[in-house]
Amino acid sequence: GESVGLHLPTLSVQEGDNSIINCAYSNSASDYFIWYKQESGKGPQFIIDIRSNMDKRQGQRVTVLLNKTVKHLSLQIAATQPGDSAVYFCAELNQAGTALIFGKGTTLSVSS
Amino acid sequence: NAGVMQNPRHLVRRRGQEARLRCSPMKGHSHVYWYRQLPEEGLKFMVYLQKENIIDESGMPKERFSAEFPKEGPSILRIQQVVRGDSAAYFCASSPAASQETQYFGPGTRLLVL
Repeated sequence: GESVGLHLPTLSVQEGDNSIINCAYSNSASDYFIWYKQESGKGPQFIIDIRSNMDKRQGQRVTVLLNKTVKHLSLQIAATQPGDSAVYFCAELNQAGTALIFGKGTTLSVSS
Repeated sequence: NAGVMQNPRHLVRRRGQEARLRCSPMKGHSHVYWYRQLPEEGLKFMVYLQKENIIDESGMPKERFSAEFPKEGPSILRIQQVVRGDSAAYFCASSPAASQETQYFGPGTRLLVL
């Protein structure tokens, strides 16, 4: 079946460090992936997305890498700031194209 | 440029009562999705609707749950005869017709069943 998971439930970094959050997915036919950030008490906030015909995509301070060979997705945050502290979810679009399948999330804690 | 709106933000119900959750999509968006999030969990898809049509309800429990997105007004997620296990955060997302994949989420409704 379809499932998306994350390698680590928590990640603690110092302000200014680079953060890497990882995600493994199981459906090799998946075509579209998204990273969301969720702060306490709020809804998921879109960060960046990537399609399966790409290996890398960059945004402002964030980069998403897709390794289709090992079905692995990662989110890199440069110069992590305290405001980046949140739960980060990867999600993939299901085969029908009608729903996102979310992983369980990685809690990023940034200390100054 | 308002985002996805949900109300109420918090809802308390006693077992057996009905819960109605409302979602207004972003302006220009005609696709609405409902997800449920249990504590310490990721979001789980429930239902996908377009105006006046349910497109995919594969994530909806078979009983007590229903959803609609009428021609006018917000989308409604309705839970009848709530039980304690229904306590969760319910999120609505929307996307424009031309881009179904990028879903933008609302702030959620936190339902507590006593």
